Amino acid sequence: DTAVSQTPKYLVTQMGNDKSIKCEQNLGHDTMYWYKQDSKKFLKIMFSYNNKELIINETVPNRFSPKSPDKAHLNLHINSLELGDSAVYFCASSQGATNAFFGQGTRLTVV
Amino acid sequence: GENVEQHPSTLSVQEGDSAVIKCTYSDSASNYFPWYKQELGKGPQLIIDIRSNVGEKKDQRIAVTLNKTAKHFSLHITETQPEDSAVYFCAASQGGTSYGKLTFGQGTILTVHP
Repeated sequence: DTAVSQTPKYLVTQMGNDKSIKCEQNLGHDTMYWYKQDSKKFLKIMFSYNNKELIINETVPNRFSPKSPDKAHLNLHINSLELGDSAVYFCASSQGATNAFFGQGTRLTVV
Repeated sequence: GENVEQHPSTLSVQEGDSAVIKCTYSDSASNYFPWYKQELGKGPQLIIDIRSNVGEKKDQRIAVTLNKTAKHFSLHITETQPEDSAVYFCAASQGGTSYGKLTFGQGTILTVHP
C-alpha cells in the first residue's frame, strides 16, 4: 500500500510548457505539502495545506499553483516552465504538524 | 525565519563503527526535530524524531539528543551497517503560523564500508 503517491515519477518537458504533478495520500492525514529538492539535495518547502486550506506559501513564483480538491489530494500546476524549475518535487502529508510522510518524488527536467 | 545548519556534509565509516551527525538551529521557537533518511531515487523517510520537552530518544541503533539551550541536536547511529548508507537530513519545525513547516539541514551523505 503506497502511503503518499505522486505521478508522474519523471517529467521531461520544454521551456514554456505547462505541466501538473498529482499527489494522493491514503493515510487519512489532514495536512499536505509540496517540497522542492534542488540539484544539491537541498529540501525546501513550497506550500502547505491543512484541511484543503492553504496555510503556508513560501516565496514561490506565482507560476506555481497548488490545488487541493480534498484532504487526500494536493496537485501542483506549473505554468510557463523555466530551466530553473528543474528539480525533484516531493509531496508529503502529516496528521497535525509532525511526522510528515514523503512520496517518492517527481523528477522534473525542463529542456 | 528558521535556519538549520548540518555537519558534516559527508561521513565515511567502517561497518560496525558509530556515526554522529550534528545540527544547529536558530529559532528558539522550534519545538520538533525529525531526522530523515533518503536513499537513492526515493523520498525522505522519517527515522526518528524528538520534541523540545525531551532531551534524548533512542530506537534500537539510532538515538537523537537535543540541547535546547545550545540549540543543537544530534543523530547517533551505532553498529553501522552498509544498508545505513544514505543521505540523512535533520529538520526543525514550529507550530503557529509555520504549522508543519520543516526547515531542513543541508544533508549528510553517510557511507558505510563493509
